[in-house]
Amino acid sequence: DVKVTQSSRYLVKRTGEKVFLECVQDMDHENMFWYRQDPGLGLRLIYFSYDVKMKEKGDIPEGYSVSREKKERFSLILESASTNQTSMYLCASRGRLPDTQYFGPGTRLTVL
Amino acid sequence: GENVEQHPSTLSVQEGDSAVIKCTYSDSASNYFPWYKQELGKGPQLIIDIRSNVGEKKDQRIAVTLNKTAKHFSLHITETQPEDSAVYFCAASKGNNDMRFGAGTRLTVKP
Repeated sequence: DVKVTQSSRYLVKRTGEKVFLECVQDMDHENMFWYRQDPGLGLRLIYFSYDVKMKEKGDIPEGYSVSREKKERFSLILESASTNQTSMYLCASRGRLPDTQYFGPGTRLTVL
Repeated sequence: GENVEQHPSTLSVQEGDSAVIKCTYSDSASNYFPWYKQELGKGPQLIIDIRSNVGEKKDQRIAVTLNKTAKHFSLHITETQPEDSAVYFCAASKGNNDMRFGAGTRLTVKP
């Protein structure tokens, strides 16, 4: 079974703090993704990575950056957290084939 | 780019009844259509998927149908049970890293 884990289930931060969300997958997948999930908006792609040190912007990259130094680990960074970044953050991974994305349990981030 | 619309946004059924959730997509090049179930406090879990070379796929009480001409696909759950209560997402992909998700359907199964 594919396992995707995220470093925290719940996180509370203050405006202006630097926030790191970490994701680890154990299936040697090439592709990893960060989404945010908000009510009524579904899942929106922030960034994805198709290989170590490679990254591509998704639909809503503003205010976020990512890091992929090792194949199994993909980090999402909020350089200066703002209240509008309060959300559920989901990490996913996908192998070369098939197309299925496998999700982690999510991190619910609250920015005060 | 691809746009996926999902209806209804909420659905309430009696235990034992059937539930149907529908999605439409805009990009005719999309060829992979997964459905995810998200329970409270958890990440989305894949429950069934279908590719564009197949019109229907079934797995026990769950089935998915695909109409490529009309660009829509549906999730059918028969003999619903309270544990089917969750948020369900459809998605469409062209087989790359660009997967687009519907906004989700909150299904409630009343005992």
